[in-house]
Amino acid sequence: SAVISQKPSRDICQRGTSLTIQCQVDSQVTMMFWYRQQPGQSLTLIATANQGSEATYESGFVIDKFPISRPNLTFSTLTVSNMSPEDSSIYLCSVEQGFPYEQYFGPGTRLTVT
Amino acid sequence: ELKVEQNPLFLSMQEGKNYTIYCNYSTTSDRLYWYRQDPGKSLESLFVLLSNGAVKQEGRLMASLDTKARLSTLHITAAVHDLSATYFCAVSSMDSNYQLIWGAGTKLIIKP
Repeated sequence: SAVISQKPSRDICQRGTSLTIQCQVDSQVTMMFWYRQQPGQSLTLIATANQGSEATYESGFVIDKFPISRPNLTFSTLTVSNMSPEDSSIYLCSVEQGFPYEQYFGPGTRLTVT
Repeated sequence: ELKVEQNPLFLSMQEGKNYTIYCNYSTTSDRLYWYRQDPGKSLESLFVLLSNGAVKQEGRLMASLDTKARLSTLHITAAVHDLSATYFCAVSSMDSNYQLIWGAGTKLIIKP
């Protein structure tokens, strides 16, 4: 199984600032995903990031607010821009490996916006 | 639109008892996933079920898939306190472009 690390693990940020979250995988993967999870809630997919192409965003998420980079097959970043308290959440990256198509998750980044 | 419903959403049970969590989904599915999440932690993959009649077991947990009924179950046998966690099912299919569509999660509390 893939081993995924995320940085930072948590942060407290001021309203109006931006935070970039890094996701590093120990093996090459094609598909990487960014999720948001509010406390006590299920997961919401923000975007899918495939290397060599633009990220695909889900309804309700836009590139200006959540720009994503995917420079190679082991690394991705998600930036949360112009933050507001509503962006306080846990942000998770995940990767899908080949058959049987398991998705593995990073440890998450707990973001608090004040 | 692919939708996933889990029930119950909350379950409190005694150690030693058996119970089942249900995951219903609305359209044909290619893959059915079960995950565990401990408080403040990330998600741990438990099972991936790919075909009708698939059954997988790990310790006290057993997952099964009935694609005709669009139903998966996660059965807990002789529950122990360490199994307390939130369990999520997720489904992917061609209808969802193979993105995972998540259930709301079942918070399981097992009392000693």
